[in-house]
Parts: sequence; C-alpha cells; structure tokens
Amino acid sequence: GQNIDQPTEMTATEGAIVQINCTYQTSGFNGLFWYQQHAGEAPTFLSYNVLDGLEEKGRFSSFLSRSKGYSYLLLKELQMKDSASYLCAALDSNYQLIWGAGTKLIIKP
Amino acid sequence: ETGVTQTPRHLVMGMTNKKSLKCEQHLGHNAMYWYKQSAKKPLELMFVYSLEERVENNSVPSRFSPECPNSSHLFLHLHTLQPEDSALYLCASSQGNGDRWSDEQYFGPGTRLTVT
Repeated sequence: GQNIDQPTEMTATEGAIVQINCTYQTSGFNGLFWYQQHAGEAPTFLSYNVLDGLEEKGRFSSFLSRSKGYSYLLLKELQMKDSASYLCAALDSNYQLIWGAGTKLIIKP
Repeated sequence: ETGVTQTPRHLVMGMTNKKSLKCEQHLGHNAMYWYKQSAKKPLELMFVYSLEERVENNSVPSRFSPECPNSSHLFLHLHTLQPEDSALYLCASSQGNGDRWSDEQYFGPGTRLTVT
C-alpha cells in the first residue's frame, strides 16, 4: 500500500532550528510537496521537490532523497507564527497525491 | 486569501437534512478538488474535476454528490449523512490537467461540518 509517515507533534524554541521528517512509500513517484496549515485555516503551499537535494526558500528549506524515500522540511530562526501543522504529500505514478497526517509544530518562547 | 472561497464556513445538519457546500475559485485554474479532513488523519481526496469533467472518485459514499457546472464553481451536495461524516471539508484548485498534476494546489478555508 501507499503510505506517508511523519511525526505527530514536535516542539521547538523561538529562534531555533527544527527539522520535520517525512518518509514515503508510493507506487512510482512524481514529486513531494510540503504545505503549512495554521489552526482553522487552509493549507498553503510551501515547497515542491522532484529532484534529489536541498531547495532553500528564505527561512524554509526542503530536502529530498528519492533513493531513500525521504524528505525533510527545515525551518530556521523560528518565529511564533511558525506554529502550525506541516503536511507532507507525495505524488505517485498516477499523479495522485498521497498525504501524511501532518506534524503539529509548537513553538515556545 | 488564496483565491478560493467556500461557503458556508460552518454547518450543522441533522442526518435527514439536505445541504450543499459551495466552492469558487478566482484563479483561472482547470482542476478542482474536494477533500475531507478529520482530526489527526491524512487528507482524504473525495473528488477531482478537470475541465468540468470528473476524473477521480475515490469510492466516496453516494450520500456525497459533487457538481461542477463550470471551471470556477464546485458544489458538494449532502444528504442523509452520518455522524462520522463530521469533518472539515476543503476545496482546492490547481492549474493541472493532463500532465500538469504536479502544480501546487490552492485551498479554500474549508467548511466545518457537524452532523447531529
């Protein structure tokens, strides 16, 4: 079956760095997405990786290893507004998105 | 604002009621989606429309009935729902069609549905 695994919850301190991991098992692979969802709001797009390596976008970076079925989202210089759920989703060979349950990130002062 | 609006934002309905959820996208996208989001569970894709034609129906119970009258509007008609259908229903759109399903999706704020 197809599956996405990511931690349920993580806690980090304001100003610090946090890495949210995601492992995937899909029938074929056409890329991996990260979305951010604040409580009571819509998910918003953060990144899309289809090639191996690290892509940096301001304070957020996303990494992909296709051979390991692994991705992570790296958040630097954490701010209180980064408290949210982070959703990992992989695109399979049929271009169907397989979603993880999300990682709730709690930022403490 | 993501360019995708949903109404109503909150809905409480009895199991014998009939109601409809509405979604509108102002982005000129070709594809629209309905998702169900339950607490601590992955997003569940319910329906996908591309250029107003349904291309995906993930074994959703018939008590959920989608309608896509044009590329900007999407409805989800609800009837004789069960308490376990209580969830957040999200609409999304993307540019994708054909080989462009790798485009990111833009989500609406969702409708919080409670079935009593």
